[in-house]
Amino acid sequence: DAGITQSPRHKVTETGTPVTLRCHQTENHRYMYWYRQDPGHGLRLIHYSYGVKDTDKGEVSDGYSVSRSKTEDFLLTLESATSSQTSVYFCAISEIPGQGSTDTQYFGPGTRLTVL
Amino acid sequence: LAKTTQPISMDSYEGQEVNITCSHNNIATNDYITWYQQFPSQGPRFIIQGYKTKVTNEVASLFIPADRKSSTLSLPRVSLSDTAVYYCLVGDYNNDMRFGAGTRLTVKP
Repeated sequence: DAGITQSPRHKVTETGTPVTLRCHQTENHRYMYWYRQDPGHGLRLIHYSYGVKDTDKGEVSDGYSVSRSKTEDFLLTLESATSSQTSVYFCAISEIPGQGSTDTQYFGPGTRLTVL
Repeated sequence: LAKTTQPISMDSYEGQEVNITCSHNNIATNDYITWYQQFPSQGPRFIIQGYKTKVTNEVASLFIPADRKSSTLSLPRVSLSDTAVYYCLVGDYNNDMRFGAGTRLTVKP
């Protein structure tokens, strides 16, 4: 399995508080992604990074910010958590897509976040 | 973005071959077709990827007709441990693909 860890694995917080989730990789992959997974929606891309300090928005980026100061770490921040952000958050990594293919994504174990 | 449509759920029995079909009518020329598997409380795991015709690996086969508007993931002789959600994705870059709700496969003894 790819070396991807997420912390914390579980978190319960209150509405209005800031929350930061961390994704750490040991594979030196260039691309990192944050997804959220909710019942009936599959996984939805929040933000992704294509290099240190290079990030872009995904499908559901409102209410989230990210930072990547080192290749191995990608942080997801909820500035002011809301109950609608209760979800399971997955981090993923991938290498630079090779010519003629999209390469694969390797996923972390997930973080279950509950916002009360 | 090419949208995919797959059955919400499927049931099978141990030892049977399972075929899950995904429709992607708006697939673009540069798009690849990728399938992931997800077990409860785990992140998705890559199964197979293809562009056209047939691709086979140690886990599954992927059949893609000439018009590429659909694809079929084939799992030979499934076991109880193949019970999972299977996602079909279409795109040419990872950040350009959408997972959708997937197909929940239940394998029964």
